[in-house]
Amino acid sequence: GQQLNQSPQSMFIQEGEDVSMNCTSSSIFNTWLWYKQEPGEGPVLLIALYKAGELTSNGRLTAQFGITRKDSFLNISASIPSDVGIYFCAGGPGGSNYKLTFGKGTLLTVNP
Amino acid sequence: NAGVTQTPKFRVLKTGQSMTLLCAQDMNHEYMYWYRQDPGMGLRLIHYSVGEGTTAKGEVPDGYNVSRLKKQNFLLGLESAAPSQTSVYFCASREPGRGNIQYFGAGTRLSVL
Repeated sequence: GQQLNQSPQSMFIQEGEDVSMNCTSSSIFNTWLWYKQEPGEGPVLLIALYKAGELTSNGRLTAQFGITRKDSFLNISASIPSDVGIYFCAGGPGGSNYKLTFGKGTLLTVNP
Repeated sequence: NAGVTQTPKFRVLKTGQSMTLLCAQDMNHEYMYWYRQDPGMGLRLIHYSVGEGTTAKGEVPDGYNVSRLKKQNFLLGLESAAPSQTSVYFCASREPGRGNIQYFGAGTRLSVL
């Protein structure tokens, strides 16, 4: 089946630093989604990407849909303590396939 | 706006016991999903449903059964719980054609002793 490689697995940073994480796949996706999961909660959608090369921002978050359709990147600028959580990428093949393929997540810890 | 609601939030079972996890969504979504989340494993799909009365196996279906008798509800059953089923279970739903976006519940934390 399809697999997503998400890196890094974890990050421990100081407040105010910028953060970058990415997902790569051996397969092409038509949709890339980025979710955040806070402790004790379910994943919440941050950004959705639908077009190769697309760059989309949501506040301090910016995500890009790779031009090969096999990767995506998420950047967080000027991190704050509430950015703590697990960030997941998810690829959607589109068409009649109902399922998403999830990365294993990046655990972000922000030191105040 | 309740969105996706999962009950119960926590449960402890003994090996061999059975239980049912309930997922309810009030968004009139056609598709519903059950995932399990284990440390370092991400989200793995157990079963899913593309409409009332339909279900299909996901990546890790063994030991679980599901039912979708009503469009708004998706039940996950464990007939004979095993310690390997200790996990956090998430339900999600989505509407066809809405860019693959799935909306998640807050999860059920299950421990099997």
